[in-house]
Amino acid sequence: AAGVIQSPRHLIKEKRETATLKCYPIPRHDTVYWYQQGPGQDPQFLISFYEKMQSDKGSIPDRFSAQQFSDYHSELNMSSLELGDSALYFCASSLGGRGRGEQYFGPGTRLTVT
Amino acid sequence: GIQVEQSPPDLILQEGANSTLRCNFSDSVNNLQWFHQNPWGQLINLFYIPSGTKQNGRLSATTVATERYSLLYISSSQTTDSGVYFCAVYGFGNEKLTFGTGTRLTIIP
Repeated sequence: AAGVIQSPRHLIKEKRETATLKCYPIPRHDTVYWYQQGPGQDPQFLISFYEKMQSDKGSIPDRFSAQQFSDYHSELNMSSLELGDSALYFCASSLGGRGRGEQYFGPGTRLTVT
Repeated sequence: GIQVEQSPPDLILQEGANSTLRCNFSDSVNNLQWFHQNPWGQLINLFYIPSGTKQNGRLSATTVATERYSLLYISSSQTTDSGVYFCAVYGFGNEKLTFGTGTRLTIIP
């Protein structure tokens, strides 16, 4: 069965640079979520999109933005990177927004900011 | 927001042992999921279980929504079961999963 695809899997950036993370949801899934997991922590919700519209927002820094495109893939854009942005970034997808549907997670993008 | 607590925080067992992991949540939830995060960081879906009991091989889970807790049972542990187990819940009206702090399970050969 198809899973959530994330790219790149690993990314090394310097402070103040920008990064773009990509997510391709499971086919026919209409909701995409982004989570951030710092070292030794649990995943924290950043933002979600249902049918290409932003549907919920968590503690996402103003330096970060995201969107979902017409083909349902999503991108998380991160600017003015800080050392504290080093984390594992997960994308998840589900069928049915508004808290319905099991969420399936991608393998994650490990971002290291030096 | 909703609070999710997991216990115990750490568990070390011999291969072949059984274990019970607990997840308590502070408010009514729309849905609940259990995940296994393996040593490579991948989050593996174990159960989608807003209520009732489900079984999948050596693993089973029970959620008692009215009492705001869920249990994950692992029987005949194997070294590949090592990792962190997360419980995550949807609060009503929310889109997001709120994760618990996890239980780190180490299985010793």
